[in-house]
Amino acid sequence: QKEVEQNSGPLSVPEGAIASLNCTYSDRGSQSFFWYRQYSGKSPELIMSIYSNGDKEDGRFTAQLNKASQYVSLLIRDSQPSDSATYLCAVNIKGNEKLTFGTGTRLTIIP
Amino acid sequence: NAGVMQNPRHLVRRRGQEARLRCSPMKGHSHVYWYRQLPEEGLKFMVYLQKENIIDESGMPKERFSAEFPKEGPSILRIQQVVRGDSAAYFCASSPTITGELFFGEGSRLTVL
Repeated sequence: QKEVEQNSGPLSVPEGAIASLNCTYSDRGSQSFFWYRQYSGKSPELIMSIYSNGDKEDGRFTAQLNKASQYVSLLIRDSQPSDSATYLCAVNIKGNEKLTFGTGTRLTIIP
Repeated sequence: NAGVMQNPRHLVRRRGQEARLRCSPMKGHSHVYWYRQLPEEGLKFMVYLQKENIIDESGMPKERFSAEFPKEGPSILRIQQVVRGDSAAYFCASSPTITGELFFGEGSRLTVL
């Protein structure tokens, strides 16, 4: 079982709709969770971090964490074509000083 | 405040040559991480360093790869005797603390002919 799993997509969402990206992780001791956005040919850019169960909102982005289900998600409201990118889920496992990344979900927003 | 600086941005080497990739972390950041990304794949951890110390090199191939972060100067990822399979984007990231919030450089794209 992979440490961090994401559906590779592609996920296509109409402009203005809500995009929902999901991520599961294997280690119950995981402490910190992050979403990065990566445009093609560019470097990953931090979007959201979440550390406790529940929702965390920042503008059009909402991160959701459920440690019991070992599940973290990212919602993008009012999707824009500029949101088209690969979204990487990253997890910091307790006792580990590195981030483990999923393979990413490619999101396409259709005008 | 300058971001994480990597150079060169693009590097072409022939099989058997050496590649040296440099990374200057953000000002005030003492934690440096190197990741490798193959086309259409996720980021694979290679090594985590603090000044003058390798903390975790569990993702580094045992042969040909080495990394350092000297007291003065940038962190360097060195690949000796490169092979075609080393062709990838190598990203450096830095962090002010062990919080997991990594800030990435633009990457160095290595092509081995």
